[in-house]
Amino acid sequence: DGGITQSPKYLFRKEGQNVTLSCEQNLNHDAMYWYRQDPGQGLRLIYYSQIVNDFQKGDIAEGYSVSREKKESFPLTVTSAQKNPTAFYLCASSFAHEQYFGPGTRLTVT
Amino acid sequence: KDQVFQPSTVASSEGAVVEIFCNHSVSNAYNFFWYLHFPGCAPRLLVKGSKPSQQGRYNMTYERFSSSLLILQVREADAAVYYCAIKCPYSGAGSYQLTFGKGTKLSVIP
Repeated sequence: DGGITQSPKYLFRKEGQNVTLSCEQNLNHDAMYWYRQDPGQGLRLIYYSQIVNDFQKGDIAEGYSVSREKKESFPLTVTSAQKNPTAFYLCASSFAHEQYFGPGTRLTVT
Repeated sequence: KDQVFQPSTVASSEGAVVEIFCNHSVSNAYNFFWYLHFPGCAPRLLVKGSKPSQQGRYNMTYERFSSSLLILQVREADAAVYYCAIKCPYSGAGSYQLTFGKGTKLSVIP
């Protein structure tokens, strides 16, 4: 059963703590992406990776970091430097220029 | 800066045809993508391309800088957020990015 999994679905953290969001895919896709969704803001690209051990900043990368050590995994770390971390985070992978999304993680920082 | 534009809300009566319009201002973007997003779930691709196309109840019109998503026989269950996206070549060979609009929330009146 192929797909993209994100865990956990809901995540709560105290301000000042780093937190890592998981994204795993078993679709054998080379490219993976992280988006952030805020009400009324649509989907904004944080980071993307075209291939293992390589990644590029998207439009709103400040305060975030990623790694791509394995093809299947593209974890996103929300650091304490991110000023407004509370949001819904979506991971995607792509094949033939079509993006497939995971179910998302809602992060709440208080 | 915003590059993809779509209305924030659209309302329709059940059984009608609803049209959601999208336009962009990017000179080297040629493909439109329409996604359906229920809150808390993975966005799902409905239709895509650089010409008019149809997938079930979903029709996509195409002009060089604009597209409309037409939903036939709209139902209450279609109430969701619909995203328009365009494909923009990114820096780096073979890489690309989807740029999303802010989403259109569809309300269906029974």
